[in-house]
Amino acid sequence: SQQGEEDPQALSIQEGENATMNCSYKTSINNLQWYRQNSGRGLVHLILIRSNEREKHSGRLRVTLDTSKKSSSLLITASRAADTASYFCATDHTGANSKLTFGKGITLSVRP
Amino acid sequence: GAGVSQTPSNKVTEKGKYVELRCDPISGHTALYWYRQSLGQGPEFLIYFQGTGAADDSGLPNDRFFAVRPEGSVSTLKIQRTERGDSAVYLCASSLSAGNNEQFFGPGTRLTVL
Repeated sequence: SQQGEEDPQALSIQEGENATMNCSYKTSINNLQWYRQNSGRGLVHLILIRSNEREKHSGRLRVTLDTSKKSSSLLITASRAADTASYFCATDHTGANSKLTFGKGITLSVRP
Repeated sequence: GAGVSQTPSNKVTEKGKYVELRCDPISGHTALYWYRQSLGQGPEFLIYFQGTGAADDSGLPNDRFFAVRPEGSVSTLKIQRTERGDSAVYLCASSLSAGNNEQFFGPGTRLTVL
């Protein structure tokens, strides 16, 4: 079963704008990972944030984690057309043998 | 260095046939995972190897599915008596070791059962 839930399900923005995507989960985690997927094939790893971390940055990406609310957000600043893709959050739940639980994903469209 | 590779990239088979899907993890990664992704859904866990042994196979849908990793590197996912509902993209991932590490995914094998 899929525990992670992302919102919105779809997001359409203009190039240059910021995109914020949210993820919620139900049970305690070791870490949460964000992935990007183009054309329904391989997933590209973006960021891993551990349960004792609150914020991480990587280039134009900023991820936050609030374990009290069981939620995370992914912010893409100054978006580009090339950021158009599906984005997934995946949770590594405590006691789950490191297997990841994915949500259904968010479809991001960045208009040139 | 090379990433995770999977072969074949596409596989079309007939209902009832046997298929094998191969995964080559990143060199030095001891943990290997198989996931399955249906259209419009996120990947769902199938099985996880730590070294040669299957540490968790709780995601395998039934006994038609089996996976091996005999030398602790390459893994093969085997599906017997394929059914149309097995059609999906099968994804393999590896990580340095199990426990709080990034998982890196291969490009996947798209399986179509006619």
